[in-house]
Amino acid sequence: DAGVIQSPRHEVTEMGQEVTLRCKPISGHNSLFWYRQTMMRGLELLIYFNNNVPIDDSGMPEDRFSAKMPNASFSTLKIQPSEPRDSAVYFCASSLGRGNRPETQYFGPGTRLLVL
Amino acid sequence: AQKITQTQPGMFVQEKEAVTLDCTYDTSDPSYGLFWYKQPSSGEMIFLIYQGSYDQQNATEGRYSLNFQKARKSANLVISASQLGDSAMYFCAMRLNQAGTALIFGKGTTLSVSS
Repeated sequence: DAGVIQSPRHEVTEMGQEVTLRCKPISGHNSLFWYRQTMMRGLELLIYFNNNVPIDDSGMPEDRFSAKMPNASFSTLKIQPSEPRDSAVYFCASSLGRGNRPETQYFGPGTRLLVL
Repeated sequence: AQKITQTQPGMFVQEKEAVTLDCTYDTSDPSYGLFWYKQPSSGEMIFLIYQGSYDQQNATEGRYSLNFQKARKSANLVISASQLGDSAMYFCAMRLNQAGTALIFGKGTTLSVSS
């Protein structure tokens, strides 16, 4: 079975440009999570969706960040305009999202973003 | 608020030896899950093991076991018979027993296995 798929794997862009990161969760998973990892702050949750609906976006750093999940098999994280401090590894993760049991989240390979 | 603490920035162990990676957590919620993830230098996050707060026995998955001490709020990862491929960053994480809640991660411990 395919795991969580993220694209691109690497992105280098210039300050001010728009960046779009993409994620395809594991088929059948109803919860999707976007995380950011930096050396300074570690792993931080940005936003998560349950059944395509954003549940908590309190981790989204600024209005420059936006995320969508138009259907159960696709999500995007957009940064517009990008800044050098956005440079990080962005992970997408998914879980079954059924019931209240703490379910395992499976991570994608991540997108390494560098904003010059 | 929930919090995960990993006090060991780095650990060193020789091949075939066992190693314990420490993790303490803080929550007032009685129902939660604890997870360990491995992040090798390639960057991906690999799920290793899960322990539920109501589980009576410590979780085990192959060479990985979780030493769960609920009263002390600790969830240490034990890796038996270390291998060179175990060299990686290890993250402890917690998630409340509520639908759709996200993981809270510790800062991680870097494990280096030498031959």
